[in-house]
Amino acid sequence: QQQVKQSPQSLIVQKGGISIINCAYENTAFDYFPWYQQFPGKGPALLIAIRPDVSEKKEGRFTISFNKSAKQFSLHIMDSQPGDSATYFCAASKNYGGSQGNLIFGKGTKLSVKP
Amino acid sequence: DGGITQSPKYLFRKEGQNVTLSCEQNLNHDAMYWYRQDPGQGLRLIYYSQIVNDFQKGDIAEGYSVSREKKESFPLTVTSAQKNPTAFYLCASSRTSGRVVEQFFGPGTRLTVL
Repeated sequence: QQQVKQSPQSLIVQKGGISIINCAYENTAFDYFPWYQQFPGKGPALLIAIRPDVSEKKEGRFTISFNKSAKQFSLHIMDSQPGDSATYFCAASKNYGGSQGNLIFGKGTKLSVKP
Repeated sequence: DGGITQSPKYLFRKEGQNVTLSCEQNLNHDAMYWYRQDPGQGLRLIYYSQIVNDFQKGDIAEGYSVSREKKESFPLTVTSAQKNPTAFYLCASSRTSGRVVEQFFGPGTRLTVL
């Protein structure tokens, strides 16, 4: 129930294409879903996040789509660039009660954008 | 310049030795966290502290210990009881923004046991 399942493990996209990474969760108590971007040898950086009261959130070329009934959410990177090549992690947390704010992470997707 | 600092960036240790990883933040965040990252495993929570002088075990606390004597500092000790300590260790701190708790990460320490 605490797991967040992320797919695919790796993804290769041509420059200018759309990158799509999917995540699924079981625990309906989760109420915050962030995405993190990590470059090799660096710490993860918060990229974009969504709460379940909206179905989509867009920030520049990055969009989160959220399907509450299916318990799924996805990250779309439009016009993918070689500089987007990194590992992306989805996560989920519940922001009330004990262990408030503790994140449960997916296992990551390694994105390579080919020029 | 606000942020989270971890030191050292690389650390080598012999089997049987304890080692302490440093994490400092000047963001005035109340909560701090330690994660372990292994290839293909995502991030796994070791310990977390929501307030000074209090901390809780995460999912993989065995073989690790922490202290939280100051709000700014949350050092992690990897003890000789940790069977497979070679990994990338990440420290994080969090702030509450609206109704959610946002976590921010440090640059990490790569520990290698020789």
